[in-house]
Order: sequence, then C-alpha cells, then structure tokens
Amino acid sequence: GQQLNQSPQSMFIQEGEDVSMNCTSSSIFNTWLWYKQDPGEGPVLLIALYKAGELTSNGRLTAQFGITRKDSFLNISASIPSDVGIYFCAGNTKDDKIIFGKGTRLHILP
Amino acid sequence: SQTIHQWPATLVQPVGSPLSLECTVEGTSNPNLYWYRQAAGRGLQLLFYSVGIGQISSEVPQNLSASRPQDRQFILSSKKLLLSDSGFYLCAWNRGAGMNTEAFFGQGTRLTVV
Repeated sequence: GQQLNQSPQSMFIQEGEDVSMNCTSSSIFNTWLWYKQDPGEGPVLLIALYKAGELTSNGRLTAQFGITRKDSFLNISASIPSDVGIYFCAGNTKDDKIIFGKGTRLHILP
Repeated sequence: SQTIHQWPATLVQPVGSPLSLECTVEGTSNPNLYWYRQAAGRGLQLLFYSVGIGQISSEVPQNLSASRPQDRQFILSSKKLLLSDSGFYLCAWNRGAGMNTEAFFGQGTRLTVV
C-alpha cells in the first residue's frame, strides 16, 4: 500500500534554532498536509498544499509540495518552547484516503 | 462553521466486551469520514474511511467494524475487544466529492482494554 516515509523520527534542538523535516513516498499524492499533535489531543492542521511546487507559509512555518508530487518538507524558523510536539505529514490519495507518516517528535532543550 | 464531536474521551473496557465509539460532524454535508488508531508514541493508522452513507472502506483486517448510518455520523464498533485494541482512536472529516482537502480531527478517545 501507499506509505509516507517521514524523517527524522525525532529532533533535539536549542530554542531559537531552525527545524527542517520531510516526507517522501514512492506514490503520487494529490494533496500534502502537515499537522502538529500535542499529548492527548487530536492533530491540528498547520499547512495544506494543493499544487505541485507550491510553497506556503504560516507564520514561522514554511512547507513545500514537491514538484514530483512524491515529497514535501516543513521548516520551522526560530523555534520556541511551544513548538514541542509531534509533527505529521499526510497525503490525500486519488480514492480519498488520507495516509500519515510516522511523525517527527520535536524536543527543545532548555 | 464546521465542528466534529467524538465521545467518550476515555474508556476502560474488559477484554471480550463490546465497543461503540461515535463521531458526528456538524455544519457540513456529505463529508468523507475517517477512523484512525494511534498506539502510544506512534503514528496514525487508517482503520476505515467512508465517502457516503453506508459506504465503508476497511484498511486493516481486524476485529473492528465501522458503520455510517447517517450522513454525518460514523461509528466504530467491536463485538469482542482484545488487549491489542487499546490505543487512541481519532475520527476525522474532510470535504467529500473527491476534493482532496485537508482533514479535521476530533479530540480522540483513549481506549484501555484490561
């Protein structure tokens, strides 16, 4: 079946540093989505990407839909303590499934 | 505006007991509906999705089932729970009709099978 390979699995950074994570797949996805999940809660949408090559920003977050439609990255600039959490990429398939990556757990060192 | 409700928030059930988790969406019509399960510290596994009333697609064969008796209602069930059914269950919706849009999640149900 279709899978998303998300990396890195976890990150330990200093407050103020920039963060980069990405997702790749052997399959084409129609839409790429990036979510953040805090403990015990449902994932919250950060950025949605609809067109190949699209680059979208949301505050300190920037994400791009790869030109081949098989990959996407998310960057976070100048990290702050509330950025801690698990970040998921997800993709919509042509038959309306939404597949998720395994997540990147972001830790910020004091 | 659209809202999604999922209940209960937490549930402790004995092995072999039945399960019924309910999810409803308000403020939209003909949504796609999804059930995911998340094991502790892990990713989201798609269990079932539905593009319309009575239409259920199963992604993972197991002792769970799903039903969509109404347009905006999605139910996850089991006749006999296993220990391995423990996890965090999440319901989600997005706009249907092949629009491939972003999905929005409920707050989740923490199920512990004992």
